[in-house]
Amino acid sequence: DAGVIQSPRHEVTEMGQEVTLRCKPISGHDYLFWYRQTMMRGLELLIYFNNNVPIDDSGMPEDRFSAKMPNASFSTLKIQPSEPRDSAVYFCASSFRDRGFGGTDTQYFGPGTRLTVL
Amino acid sequence: QKEVEQDPGPLSVPEGAIVSLNCTYSNSAFQYFMWYRQYSRKGPELLMYTYSSGNKEDGRFTAQVDKSSKYISLFIRDSQPSDSATYLCAALHNTDKLIFGTGTRLQVFP
Repeated sequence: DAGVIQSPRHEVTEMGQEVTLRCKPISGHDYLFWYRQTMMRGLELLIYFNNNVPIDDSGMPEDRFSAKMPNASFSTLKIQPSEPRDSAVYFCASSFRDRGFGGTDTQYFGPGTRLTVL
Repeated sequence: QKEVEQDPGPLSVPEGAIVSLNCTYSNSAFQYFMWYRQYSRKGPELLMYTYSSGNKEDGRFTAQVDKSSKYISLFIRDSQPSDSATYLCAALHNTDKLIFGTGTRLQVFP
């Protein structure tokens, strides 16, 4: 498997523009997570899905952020309008629930999208 | 206060040294604890996980959890330049949410 695929790898945009980040999880995984990583705050969970349904979006910073998962092989994270403080690396991760593990199994991360908002 | 606290470093050690990386956490409901390794400009990858208190060893790596003091440790023996990366501790919430520390940057020089 190619692993978790994210696009674009780099995005530079101007304040006020709409930004759409894309993620293709590993085939067969039933959980998908969106994270944001900054030097100051580290890796923060924004939202996660189980079987394409959003389960917890409490980490989404504000209404400018939205995420969708229309099918098991695709998810988007949209920021509209973007602001300079949104500059960060955004990671998508997927996992498969292992009942024996008692919780979420290993999360596999994509390479990330480095977003710069000018 | 963050639920998982981690010293950001950087930590610089010579090749062959024993490295100790540490985290503390505040939520006593955490049951599973993980260490992820993140190379520069890459996504994190799972290194080790432990359940509840105790030690787990995998080659040169040992993960240790002390629930009484809410302390998580990762030890690296015979450290190598290839171990240079950022190490993130994480704890599994009672849902499916992983709570990460901010990461400790480790540099092992030859």
